[in-house]
Amino acid sequence: DAKTTQPPSMDCAEGRAANLPCNHSTISGNEYVYWYRQIHSQGPQYIIHGLKNNETNEMASLIITEDRKSSTLILPHATLRDTAVYYCIVRVATNAGKSTFGDGTTLTVKP
Amino acid sequence: DAGVIQSPRHEVTEMGQEVTLRCKPISGHDYLFWYRQTMMRGLELLIYFNNNVPIDDSGMPEDRFSAKMPNASFSTLKIQPSEPRDSAVYFCASSFRTRGYNEQFFGPGTRLTVL
Repeated sequence: DAKTTQPPSMDCAEGRAANLPCNHSTISGNEYVYWYRQIHSQGPQYIIHGLKNNETNEMASLIITEDRKSSTLILPHATLRDTAVYYCIVRVATNAGKSTFGDGTTLTVKP
Repeated sequence: DAGVIQSPRHEVTEMGQEVTLRCKPISGHDYLFWYRQTMMRGLELLIYFNNNVPIDDSGMPEDRFSAKMPNASFSTLKIQPSEPRDSAVYFCASSFRTRGYNEQFFGPGTRLTVL
């Protein structure tokens, strides 16, 4: 699995968009970008994933650069409940789990 | 749907004792994963099953750890004998093949403390 790099921490004001970056410069053509988050003391929660097109669901949007070497998870209107550790992982869709989740980005949403 | 169910939520035991963690995956899911999370090592995959069959156990730390999935609705992770360094939060997750192996749904975890 390709290695990912995320900033260790970020702050965001409540109600504003939170943009979480992830670098995956060694990503292979068949690897997807997955995002999870983990709210304190809870299990990780799947957010979204994509291959090369931008994706949007009820939780977030995922923007993947054209060269696929980086991506951004966007929470359009962050709330205090979005405070969590956000993990970006890169994995082949048919590979059910070879990699760890890494250190992630701790997002703190402030009032 | 109740989601992935894990029991117990907290377990405190003494070194040398056997510990059994339990997991009930989401009904209809055909993949089941066991993870361990510590401050030092983060979230690491221990083993996963497909249709009740263990597929990859390369993450199991040593022979003291074993996992079984006797049927589609139940799995156990056993540590025998337990050691203080096994103290961690253990998560179970499940997924449904047609939604992608990596869209995993996690349980609330079992916090294990070995004294």
